[in-house]
Amino acid sequence: ETGVTQSPTHLIKTRGQQVTLRCSSQSGHNTVSWYQQALGQGPQFIFQYYREEENGRGNFPPRFSGLQFPNYSSELNVNALELDDSALYLCASSRPGTGGDTQYFGPGTRLTVL
Amino acid sequence: KNEVEQSPQNLTAQEGEFITINCSYSVGISALHWLQQHPGGGIVSLFMLSSGKKKHGRLIATINIQEKHSSLHITASHPRDSAVYICARSPEGAQKLVFGQGTRLTINP
Repeated sequence: ETGVTQSPTHLIKTRGQQVTLRCSSQSGHNTVSWYQQALGQGPQFIFQYYREEENGRGNFPPRFSGLQFPNYSSELNVNALELDDSALYLCASSRPGTGGDTQYFGPGTRLTVL
Repeated sequence: KNEVEQSPQNLTAQEGEFITINCSYSVGISALHWLQQHPGGGIVSLFMLSSGKKKHGRLIATINIQEKHSSLHITASHPRDSAVYICARSPEGAQKLVFGQGTRLTINP
């Protein structure tokens, strides 16, 4: 158990719909990163939030957006869902400090887009 | 070409064998991570290292910064070690992780 929780665990949507995924970080962690993991691939960095501000973004279109709340929990929103958005979405929280801190992963949300 | 390359992609061994998984990266890092992912998706961090060697139980991780290469070793492997092992780098100045594609390890009894 890492203390990082995600909801929901599974989700089925259709093309064009919008989805919101949620992540609660481990106590004391003010940084949350989101990753997308397609089947058989390593996770790909979507973006990171640090103290409620976006702090780095990977190669994902603007229809992927996020929020971080004062309690450091976070949301990932995806608009206009496409079939290729089907993946495992992972969030990871980390302690404040310099780059390279250990990241603690949640169990993931498996999104299927039909 | 991925910035983080792992080999082999798949590895099957018998219980008790010594296992080595390799990771090469092409750019500078602040740290190199080894993680374990079980079926169902959960990822657990095993090691974070920026130099030398770390050991935890039957797991050993080494890194050679000059050669941009790291290895994960498992001694006396056991079927419960079966999982995907992923190498990831932390870029200098950033907390994000850049992942390799993973190595699927299967240990047969």
